[in-house]
Amino acid sequence: DIQMTQSPSSLSASVGDRVTITCRASQSISSYLNWYQQKPGKAPKLLIYAASSLQSGVPSRFSGSGSGTDFTLTISSLQPEDFATYYCQQSYSTPVSFGQGTKLEIK
Amino acid sequence: QVQLVESGGGVVQPGGSLRLSCAASGFTFSSYGMHWVRQAPGKGLEWVAFIRYDGSNKYYADSVKGRFTISRDNSKNTLYLQMNSLRAEDTAVYYCAKEPTTVTSLSLDVWGKGTTVTVSS
Repeated sequence: DIQMTQSPSSLSASVGDRVTITCRASQSISSYLNWYQQKPGKAPKLLIYAASSLQSGVPSRFSGSGSGTDFTLTISSLQPEDFATYYCQQSYSTPVSFGQGTKLEIK
Repeated sequence: QVQLVESGGGVVQPGGSLRLSCAASGFTFSSYGMHWVRQAPGKGLEWVAFIRYDGSNKYYADSVKGRFTISRDNSKNTLYLQMNSLRAEDTAVYYCAKEPTTVTSLSLDVWGKGTTVTVSS
């Protein structure tokens, strides 16, 4: 089974900051990597699929990169609505697996 | 618009059973693979199961294999999760989610709001 590890687990940042979250897979998953945003009490929302493709309707300040085992999610200029928890997910094989999450908090 | 609405959650004793449903609308349900994902209180996301568009293949997390069964009724646009031999660690919000395209990608683009399952005596 493929294990997904995110870092950091939590992050404090200010509006306007550039933020990067990292996700590492326990084996190569090519570009089969998705990113989700979840706000408290809400369902997750797909942000990025196939490592770097922006889901329709997602602001362009979100971007993803990487392949193989190392991936990043970058938010270029944090907005108040971006404070949430972010999860990576490998879609390379079953069982599907998620990272443990990165909670992005307001500094 | 695409909508997924889960139901069937509740409080059940350890060892009991529960069946969750997910009613789909706004898309051709019979053409898309579907997933169940759960989230224990204060914890991260855990994938539970996947079923192909026609029900021909099903996949499960090791934590639920042999206890949970995913199924679908394409005539009713409904996804199911039959949960047996429930344990305290199955307590979670259960979400159903659809695949983005008719080709299986193991990605999840639209999620329901979730239904809460509590396993407690």
